[in-house]
Order: sequence, then C-alpha cells, then structure tokens
Amino acid sequence: EDQVTQSPEALRLQEGESSSLNCSYTVSGLRGLFWYRQDPGKGPEFLFTLYSAGEEKEKERLKATLTKKESFLHITAPKPEDSATYLCAVQATNAGNNRKLIWGLGTSLAVNP
Amino acid sequence: DGGITQSPKYLFRKEGQNVTLSCEQNLNHDAMYWYRQDPGQGLRLIYYSQIVNDFQKGDIAEGYSVSREKKESFPLTVTSAQKNPTAFYLCASRDPYSPLHFGNGTRLTVT
Repeated sequence: EDQVTQSPEALRLQEGESSSLNCSYTVSGLRGLFWYRQDPGKGPEFLFTLYSAGEEKEKERLKATLTKKESFLHITAPKPEDSATYLCAVQATNAGNNRKLIWGLGTSLAVNP
Repeated sequence: DGGITQSPKYLFRKEGQNVTLSCEQNLNHDAMYWYRQDPGQGLRLIYYSQIVNDFQKGDIAEGYSVSREKKESFPLTVTSAQKNPTAFYLCASRDPYSPLHFGNGTRLTVT
C-alpha cells in the first residue's frame, strides 16, 4: 500500500538551531514528492517539488533532498517565523488522471526566540 | 494577484442542514480539487474536476456534492448525509505543469 510517514510529529527548536524533518515514502514508483508549509488556519503553501533521487532544492533557510526512500527538509538557522506545520505529499507513477497525492500527517515545528 | 478564494472562513450549521462552501480561482487553472483536513489525518480528497461540466469522486465523496459550471468556480455542498461534517475544508487548483495551489480554507462546524 502506498504510504507517506513524516517524523517527528512535533519539533521544538531554539532560534538558530538547525535540524531536519523526515518524510519516508512507500510507493510503487515515484512521479514527484512535494513539500508544503501550513500556518494555523491557513491553506498549505507550496515549497518544493523533487522528482528523482539525488535532487536538491533550496529556498532561503530551507533545503529539500530526496533519496529512493525518503526526503529531508533541512532548516538552517531557523527563525521564529519558520514556525509552521510542514507537509509532505507523494505522487505515484500510477496516480491516474487525477494525479492523486498521498499526504503525510505533517511535522509541527516551533522555533523559540 | 491571482489566487483561490474560499468563503466564508468560518461556517456554523445545525445538524440536518445542507451547506455550500464557495471556491473561486482566477489562476485560469483547469483542474480543481476539494480536500478535507482533520486533526491526526492527512489531507483526504473529496472531489476533483479536470474540466468544466465534469467532476469525479475522490476517496471520501459520500455525503458531499459538487458542480463545475464555470472554470473559475467549484462549490462544495455538504449534505445532511455526511456523518461527520465538522472539519477544515480546502479547495485547490492546478494546471498540468504546476503543483497544487490551495485556498485558505473554510472551517465548518456542525452542531
């Protein structure tokens, strides 16, 4: 069964304390892996798409990497405004016409000043 | 600015009443989606539409209905047949070469 698991469920960091969030996936074939950021009471905001193992993408303090079984979202020197829930989603090669995404439960990140 | 507008932000209804959630986009996207988000669960797909006048059931369509009469609009009706309607509802859209773009959601409370 296709599955996406994110860890940890929650993470509390001090400002400037770098860390990584994990998204492990099990799909028959990967078409794409997506990272989103969601603030409380808001819709998810797109961050990155990764397509193949070894691919990396960066945006400000965030860097996403991909292997054949998992993706990491590295947060370097985080600031309080990076506090949010980070969602991972995977699209399998057999996703069909609706391009169905399989979503993880998210990691809730809190960055203390 | 282009985007997806969901209204209202908060909605309260009595059990047994149907309620319609609005979703409007000005991104010129063909495909539109409705998701439901509950604590402790990943986003679940309710309905999707890839083109005007066509829509398909997602994983949890029971108790919901949609229409797609215009490219810009994809309203969702939560009917009295939906057993657990209280949730955060998210509308999204995309074109063939982009990731999903989400609105800011409607929180529905049914008592």
